[in-house]
Amino acid sequence: DADVTQTPRNRITKTGKRIMLECSQTKGHDRMYWYRQDPGLGLRLIYYSFDVKDINKGEISDGYSVSRQAQAKFSLSLESAIPNQTALYFCATSGGGYWDRGSSSTDTQYFGPGTRLTVL
Amino acid sequence: RKEVEQDPGPFNVPEGATVAFNCTYSNSASQSFFWYRQDCRKEPKLLMSVYSSGNEDGRFTAQLNRASQYISLLIRDSKLSDSATYLCVVTGNYGQNFVFGPGTRLSVLP
Repeated sequence: DADVTQTPRNRITKTGKRIMLECSQTKGHDRMYWYRQDPGLGLRLIYYSFDVKDINKGEISDGYSVSRQAQAKFSLSLESAIPNQTALYFCATSGGGYWDRGSSSTDTQYFGPGTRLTVL
Repeated sequence: RKEVEQDPGPFNVPEGATVAFNCTYSNSASQSFFWYRQDCRKEPKLLMSVYSSGNEDGRFTAQLNRASQYISLLIRDSKLSDSATYLCVVTGNYGQNFVFGPGTRLSVLP
């Protein structure tokens, strides 16, 4: 079974509709993230959460909201979808690792399979 | 200037070739560095971390130059299965954010 799952995998919706994308993880990680990916722009961070009571805006949070229902669940909502929110959305988790100056962190991110969202 | 920049590509190379990708970052306080691999329409997956002293994993070698703020990835003896997009990733202070480069696409041709 996959460690990070996303539902739905594909979604087509109309402008103005409310959409929720869900992410679940079995890795036991505290940190969870939502990204969107657009051709030529790479991955951009929407929101991130370091624990259930900690939610932070990322680079492009306008038009999105999130909910951290439990350590293992992190949902992304589009309150009123618009066409320029058409993109590939990824959820990711990380364990935090440790930080040792002069060497590399042990932290890495693990991604879900993505949700392809089309807003007409 | 973008925080993380990469060679735009695409790189089209024959099987067996050696290919190198470069990545530059703007935040001198960046702490950790990674290369991720992403296949078409799939999720990114960690290829390797990049250590200060440089590191090698089979046919892959990563180098870090903190003074010039760039990271490189060298792939030797390219395989068809190496065809993918390679993402350079840099973390900020204490890892609260992972910043992804736009990626460099590699196509290994038979």
